[in-house]
Amino acid sequence: AQTVTQSQPEMSVQEAETVTLSCTYDTSESDYYLFWYKQPPSRQMILVIRQEAYKQQNATENRFSVNFQKAAKSFSLKISDSQLGDAAMYFCAYRSARGNKLVFGAGTILRVKS
Amino acid sequence: DVKVTQSSRYLVKRTGEKVFLECVQDMDHENMFWYRQDPGLGLRLIYFSYDVKMKEKGDIPEGYSVSREKKERFSLILESASTNQTSMYLCASSQSGGIYNSPLHFGNGTRLTVT
Repeated sequence: AQTVTQSQPEMSVQEAETVTLSCTYDTSESDYYLFWYKQPPSRQMILVIRQEAYKQQNATENRFSVNFQKAAKSFSLKISDSQLGDAAMYFCAYRSARGNKLVFGAGTILRVKS
Repeated sequence: DVKVTQSSRYLVKRTGEKVFLECVQDMDHENMFWYRQDPGLGLRLIYFSYDVKMKEKGDIPEGYSVSREKKERFSLILESASTNQTSMYLCASSQSGGIYNSPLHFGNGTRLTVT
């Protein structure tokens, strides 16, 4: 079974600085998708960014980018120019290309200091 | 925008009660999911459904059942609630297919307390 590990329970960043959240996963498959979701205090889970395993180019969405290292099974999220609204729980998730269900990591709480 | 609506934001039930958590989505999605979220454990899949009347067990189905009589509605049932089922429950839906039409859309969650 696939597993997703987020080794940082909590992270802090100063407003306008850059922070990187770590994620590793374990799978024997070669075709899959990876996601980062954000859950603010309001609880609404929001998709931040997604990556297809067969694409070597790292995905970017405005201030959010990933560092996808397929051989190392690593999928970190970089948030540039951090804003107070980035404070949330961030979840890394894996989905097999052959299925529809997501496997989530334990989450990382991100605190943004003003 | 896709809307996934969970009927209750907070729920308090007694041990042994039968509990129904309702979820409705308005985008004709084939897939619907129930997760529970616990601190330090992330989201764990309880059950999912890929079509009306179809269901599959997730990673932690024990003590739960589900019902999907209509495409837009997916119910989670706790047959006899126990204190270890106190948790946040999240419903989600998605279309089948490739990555760009199948991200999960989540409801706002139901925080269930069993006393």
